[in-house]
Amino acid sequence: GQNIDQPTEMTATEGAIVQINCTYQTSGFNGLFWYQQHAGEAPTFLSYNVLDGLEEKGRFSSFLSRSKGYSYLLLKELQMKDSASYLCAGMDSNYQLIWGAGTKLIIKP
Amino acid sequence: DAGITQSPRYKITETGRQVTLMCHQTWSHSYMFWYRQDLGHGLRLIYYSAAADITDKGEVPDGYVVSRSKTENFPLTLESATRSQTSVYFCASSSRENTEAFFGQGTRLTVV
Repeated sequence: GQNIDQPTEMTATEGAIVQINCTYQTSGFNGLFWYQQHAGEAPTFLSYNVLDGLEEKGRFSSFLSRSKGYSYLLLKELQMKDSASYLCAGMDSNYQLIWGAGTKLIIKP
Repeated sequence: DAGITQSPRYKITETGRQVTLMCHQTWSHSYMFWYRQDLGHGLRLIYYSAAADITDKGEVPDGYVVSRSKTENFPLTLESATRSQTSVYFCASSSRENTEAFFGQGTRLTVV
C-alpha cells in the first residue's frame, strides 16, 4: 500500500534548527513535496524534490533519498512565524499525491 | 483578483440535504482538485480534473459529485449530506500534474 509517515508533533526553540523527517512508500515515484499550513489556513508550497540530494531555499532546505524512501525538511534560524504544520506528500506513478498527516511544529521563545 | 477562491468559507447543513461548494481559479490552470482534511488524517483526494469536461475519482469519492464545464470552475456537490462528511474542504489547482498546487482558503462544512 501507499503510505507517508512523519512525526505528529515537534518542539523547537526560536533561532535554532529543526529537521522534520518523512518516510514514504508509493507505487512508483514522481517526486516529494513539502507544504506549510498555518492553523486555519490553506497549505502553501515549500519545496519539491525528484532527484536525490539537498535543495536549499533561504532558511528552508529539503533533502531526498530515493533509495531509502526518505526525505527531510530542514528549517534554520527558526522564527515564531514558523509555528505551523508541515505536510509531506509523495507523488505516485499516476501523479497522485499521497499526503502524510502533517507535523505540527511548535516554536518556543 | 487573481487566485483561487472557495465559497462559502463556512457552512452548516442538515443531514440529507444537498450542498454545493464552489471553487473558482483565475490562472487557467488545467488541473483542479478537491480534498478533505480531517484531524489525524492527511489530505484525502475526493475528485480531480485534468481539463474541462474531464473528471476522475480520487481516494474518497463516495457521496460526492463534481462537474467542470468551464476551466475556471470546479464545484463539489454533496448529494445527501451525512455527518461523516463534516470536514474542511480544500480546492486546489496546478498548471501541470507534477507541479505545485495552489490551494483555496478552504470551506469548513458541518453536517448536523
